[in-house]
Amino acid sequence: DSGVTQTPKHLITATGQRVTLRCSPRSGDLSVYWYQQSLDQGLQFLIQYYNGEERAKGNILERFSAQQFPDLHSELNLSSLELGDSALYFCASSGVYGYTFGSGTRLTVV
Amino acid sequence: GEDVEQSLFLSVREGDSSVINCTYTDSSSTYLYWYKQEPGAGLQLLTYIFSNMDMKQDQRLTVLLNKKDKHLSLRIADTQTGDSAIYFCAERLNNNDMRFGAGTRLTVKP
Repeated sequence: DSGVTQTPKHLITATGQRVTLRCSPRSGDLSVYWYQQSLDQGLQFLIQYYNGEERAKGNILERFSAQQFPDLHSELNLSSLELGDSALYFCASSGVYGYTFGSGTRLTVV
Repeated sequence: GEDVEQSLFLSVREGDSSVINCTYTDSSSTYLYWYKQEPGAGLQLLTYIFSNMDMKQDQRLTVLLNKKDKHLSLRIADTQTGDSAIYFCAERLNNNDMRFGAGTRLTVKP
């Protein structure tokens, strides 16, 4: 257990739908990073939050949004889903020795 | 350049040594990391090296750092089938954000 918790582990949904992925960072970590990993591809940085505030944006589509709550957990909202959104979505929190990753949410859009 | 670069694939025979190479971007990066991702799992921190070190050894793993060339390598001695995974190189930037390579898929053949 890395200390970063992601739910759900698996999600299957239809095109056009909206889903919410949840992440709880490691205790004491203020930053949350969201990444997308498509099949056979590297990590694509989506967005970062620090202590409730958006801090950096990467290649995040307008259909996607995120927020970080006062208890520091974060949610990634994906809407108007397309087949190409099928991927592993990871969150990570940042500590002294680098990022700690959750085990990911595998999203399948059918 | 802006990308952390790694070869995408490496194949070795069981018992041989594996060497995975990486070129990072920022000469002022404080820490350099190697993460391991097994199939269907998240990224796990494998090892890291502080930028004022040239080498770090941890059991079968040896990390070499050449700051002049911004080159990082990971050597796995006596590679086993359980070492088959994707290995990500990452650098920690001055703002504490991390930049990841695309990952090297290591295949170990029996």
